[in-house]
Amino acid sequence: DIVMTQTPLSLPVTPGEPASISCRSSQGLLESDDGDTYVDWYLQKPGQSPQLLIHTLSFRASGVPDRFSGSGSGTDFTLKISRVEAEDVGVYYCMQRIKFPLTFGGGTKVEIK
Amino acid sequence: QITLKESGPTLVKPTQTLTLTCTFSGFSLTTNEVGVGWIRQPPGKALEWLALIYWDDDKRYSPSLRSRLTITKDTSKNQVVLTMTNMDPVDTATYYCVYRRFEAALSYWGQGTLVTVSS
Repeated sequence: DIVMTQTPLSLPVTPGEPASISCRSSQGLLESDDGDTYVDWYLQKPGQSPQLLIHTLSFRASGVPDRFSGSGSGTDFTLKISRVEAEDVGVYYCMQRIKFPLTFGGGTKVEIK
Repeated sequence: QITLKESGPTLVKPTQTLTLTCTFSGFSLTTNEVGVGWIRQPPGKALEWLALIYWDDDKRYSPSLRSRLTITKDTSKNQVVLTMTNMDPVDTATYYCVYRRFEAALSYWGQGTLVTVSS
């Protein structure tokens, strides 16, 4: 199985300030057939189901504000929030889908300072 | 508009078999490349993928739970059913069903259903 490791576990943030979450995979997630990187990011707001934020490394899902961005290559990936807003609190998960079983990172809890 | 909703028992006893149903709308499981899967989340813990079934009846399972899981579809009812045998208290979790288009991300999630395993 591909192991996804997220850091940090917890991230206190100040509204208006940037935030960054890291995710490392135990194997590369670049699909040679199409050149895409099969890592996605999900946000689980308090009391809600997870929702797709970023897919295929860097593509924002429909309706996701442009303050969210995904980047990385190989086995190291980053989710960035350019200016955190109060509504961004929750747990963020990365997930790989280059091969089964689909695997998630352990999650990063973002909270307001 | 794609929606998914999970249903099933909220409480099961150890060793019993859990049967969960995902009822969906806004798409058909007869459409090429469409899939429906299950994810679970123990209280306060991370997400764990369990199983996935595609339009062509291709089925994928978590290797660690493969012996206990069965996923099936009923296209006439727009439902996907997950059964998990020999339930244990460690299986206490919220179970989500999800929509997937071929190898794409999990773009739609149900609201989840909490299943507690206790005698």
